Amino acid sequence: DADVTQTPRNRITKTGKRIMLECSQTKGHDRMYWYRQDPGLGLRLIYYSFDVKDINKGEISDGYSVSRQAQAKFSLSLESAIPNQTALYFCATSDGRTDTQYFGPGTRLTVL
Amino acid sequence: AQSVTQLGSHVSVSEGALVLLRCNYSSSVPPYLFWYVQYPNQGLQLLLKYTSAATLVKGINGFEAEFKKSETSFHLTKPSAHMSDAAEYFCAVRVISSGSARQLTFGSGTQLTVLP
Repeated sequence: DADVTQTPRNRITKTGKRIMLECSQTKGHDRMYWYRQDPGLGLRLIYYSFDVKDINKGEISDGYSVSRQAQAKFSLSLESAIPNQTALYFCATSDGRTDTQYFGPGTRLTVL
Repeated sequence: AQSVTQLGSHVSVSEGALVLLRCNYSSSVPPYLFWYVQYPNQGLQLLLKYTSAATLVKGINGFEAEFKKSETSFHLTKPSAHMSDAAEYFCAVRVISSGSARQLTFGSGTQLTVLP
């Protein structure tokens, strides 16, 4: 089984809808991250969490919110989706010692 | 502030030829540097990382990178390209933000095409 899983893998939605992307990990890591990937822009950090009670904004948090339900679960929400949030979204984890991040397979989100 | 710049958004090589993907960094502190690879429809996976030990770092799948402080570079190389190396490659630097929080900042990526 994969160490970092994301659901759904693909999602098409309409402008104004609320969307939740979920991430689960079995690596036992404290730190979790949400990124979006756009062609030519690489990965940009949306939010990160270093433990269940710690949530921090990243480079591009506007229009997004997160919830750390447990050490193993970190969800990303789009309260009112807009077309420029169409992107590939990745969840990642790290243990804080090595700074190496481990990525999920991604969620492709399309907002019409 | 720490950042990385990847030169060349697309690189094409022939199978068996040398692969060279360029990454330059900017950092006011000794950097920790990473190369990740993304195969089609997959997440990123770590190829190799530099954490201030040996300047020549060997990674998976025959890739290696050399840290050159004088050139602020961390270029990725492989002596002989294989068709299976076709993917997107990302350079990243560890960033220490306010409150000592550590994150990674990624470059914009280089798409490697391997021609038969």
